[in-house]
Amino acid sequence: GQQLNQSPQSMFIQEGEDVSMNCTSSSIFNTWLWYKQDPGEGPVLLIALYKAGELTSNGRLTAQFGITRKDSFLNISASIPSDVGIYFCAGHYGGATNKLIFGTGTLLAVQP
Amino acid sequence: DTGVSQDPRHKITKRGQNVTFRCDPISEHNRLYWYRQTLGQGPEFLTYFQNEAQLEKSRLLSDRFSAERPKGSFSTLEIQRTEQGDSAMYLCASRSQGPLTYEQYFGPGTRLTVT
Repeated sequence: GQQLNQSPQSMFIQEGEDVSMNCTSSSIFNTWLWYKQDPGEGPVLLIALYKAGELTSNGRLTAQFGITRKDSFLNISASIPSDVGIYFCAGHYGGATNKLIFGTGTLLAVQP
Repeated sequence: DTGVSQDPRHKITKRGQNVTFRCDPISEHNRLYWYRQTLGQGPEFLTYFQNEAQLEKSRLLSDRFSAERPKGSFSTLEIQRTEQGDSAMYLCASRSQGPLTYEQYFGPGTRLTVT
C-alpha cells in the first residue's frame, strides 16, 4: 500500500537536544496529522494541521503544514527520555476518501 | 470518555483457523476505521464505517476478511482461514462526525500471530 516518506528513519540523540523530522508525499494533502507510537500500543495523536503554512504547537512539539501541501515537519524541543518512540506522519486527501495515509515512521531514541 | 478499546490485545492462532476482533470506539464518535500494521511499517487502511454503513474498503481487505458494525456502535473484524501473512497488529480508530476534523483516535490494537 501507499506510504509517505519520512526522514530520518531513526535518530539517536542526547537528552535536551532538539529534534527535527519531516514527511514528504508526491500527492497533495488537505490535512496532516502527527502520531507517536510506543511498542505494542496504538498510535497517539500529537498534532493536527489543516491549512498550508500552518504552524501548530503542543507543548514542546511544533509541527508545520508545508506550503506545497506535499510535506510536513515536526520539531521536538529539549527532548526528554519519554519522547522515545516511533513518530508517524499521516495525510488525509479530503473528499470522498476517509482513510489516512501513513508515513514509514521515524524511530527516536533519547539517551539520558 | 475511556478512549477506543480493542479486545483481545493478543491472539495466537493456528493457520486455517478463524479469528474475530472487537473494537469499541469513543462513545460519541460515529466514524470507525480498521487499519493493519506490520513490523516496521506505518498503519495501512482496511475499511471505514459511518454509523452502521461500511462506506470504504481497501484492496487489502481480501474476501477472507469481513467487518461489521451492526448497531453503529462497536465493530468486529473477522479473518477466516488465517494465513501466516495475516500476522500483524490490527488497529481500530474512531473519529467524531464534525465535517472539518479528520482526527482519528486509535485503540491499543490487537496483535495477531498465526503459527
